[in-house]
Amino acid sequence: GQQLNQSPQSMFIQEGEDVSMNCTSSSIFNTWLWYKQDPGEGPVLLIALYKAGELTSNGRLTAQFGITRKDSFLNISASIPSDVGIYFCAGPPANTGTASKLTFGTGTRLQVTL
Amino acid sequence: KAGVTQTPRYLIKTRGQQVTLSCSPISGHRSVSWYQQTPGQGLQFLFEYFSETQRNKGNFPGRFSGRQFSNSRSEMNVSTLELGDSALYLCASSRDRGFSPLHFGNGTRLTVT
Repeated sequence: GQQLNQSPQSMFIQEGEDVSMNCTSSSIFNTWLWYKQDPGEGPVLLIALYKAGELTSNGRLTAQFGITRKDSFLNISASIPSDVGIYFCAGPPANTGTASKLTFGTGTRLQVTL
Repeated sequence: KAGVTQTPRYLIKTRGQQVTLSCSPISGHRSVSWYQQTPGQGLQFLFEYFSETQRNKGNFPGRFSGRQFSNSRSEMNVSTLELGDSALYLCASSRDRGFSPLHFGNGTRLTVT
């Protein structure tokens, strides 16, 4: 089945550093979503992207919808300890007909050291 | 505004039993979807309900079923439980089936022994 590949798989960074992660697909997506999941909780929506080339920010987070529609990037600036968690990209494949049937990426586990 | 509420948070069942999980969507949201999350397979789509009708189904056996009520609340049922069904089951809701993004609950952790 379709897969979304995220990289890196995990990363250790120091507080205050900037973080970049990306997500690539073998097929086209019309929507890209970025979620964060903390231990014991469900994924929380961070950013939604709806148009190729779109660049959207949410506080210290910035995400971009790739021009090819097969990739997306998430940047976190000036990381803080509460940024720790697993970040997932997700999207409904272009031929799904609904935004509810999401394919999720493999996740990027972020750990922040003081 | 209350988020997506799932009950119970934790369940322990034995093989062969069946289980029912409950989900209350965000007020005003009419679409409810269910996902299974495991360390090996990640997050996988189970099914989607809208207006009390199943609109999409993932690649899971028929032991997995669900339903949606007129107030948009949803339940999912797993019959004849297997060890491999141990997972975090997540419910998500959205306003409609179009561009509205999914908002997830905190899940039900099911352990099958």
